[in-house]
Amino acid sequence: DAGVIQSPRHEVTEMGQEVTLRCKPISGHNSLFWYRQTMMRGLELLIYFNNNVPIDDSGMPEDRFSAKMPNASFSTLKIQPSEPRDSAVYFCASSHYAGVEQFFGPGTRLTVL
Amino acid sequence: EDQVTQSPEALRLQEGESSSLNCSYTVSGLRGLFWYRQDPGKGPEFLFTLYSAGEEKEKERLKATLTKKESFLHITAPKPEDSATYLCAVFLSYNTDKLIFGTGTRLQVFP
Repeated sequence: DAGVIQSPRHEVTEMGQEVTLRCKPISGHNSLFWYRQTMMRGLELLIYFNNNVPIDDSGMPEDRFSAKMPNASFSTLKIQPSEPRDSAVYFCASSHYAGVEQFFGPGTRLTVL
Repeated sequence: EDQVTQSPEALRLQEGESSSLNCSYTVSGLRGLFWYRQDPGKGPEFLFTLYSAGEEKEKERLKATLTKKESFLHITAPKPEDSATYLCAVFLSYNTDKLIFGTGTRLQVFP
């Protein structure tokens, strides 16, 4: 299996622009998680899905952030408009179901100028 | 408030010098504890899951243990390739299925 796939790996954009991050989970996994990692706050869960349904989005910082999972093999995290404080590494992870080990993708390093 | 604290923040070891990393937690209910390894520029890599006090898991030079209040990751005779950041995360027994991560211990092993 190829593991969790994320794209792009690096994104540099200007403040105010829309950013879309993409994730393909491991085939057969029913749960998908979006995390953000910064030096100051470590790894923080933004949102997670079970069977393509958003279960907990309490970690989404504000309305500028949105996430979708239209099918079992694809999810997006969108930031609109982006701000410099959104600069971080964003990880997608998947698991067979919530509560067991999660497998992480390589991450997307986002820089907002 | 549920909290996960890892110590030390950073650890420098000579090759072959065994040591332990600590993960302490104050949570209302624990369903499980996970250990991950993260190399620079990469996503966390799963190492172990522990579910109950007294449980131990081993993998090569690493051994993870769990008590009611903390977990230890013991590294025996480390090698330079063990250098990484080690993260622990707790899985709560109520409310939601999310993990709460500690801020990690950055381990450097010198030859």
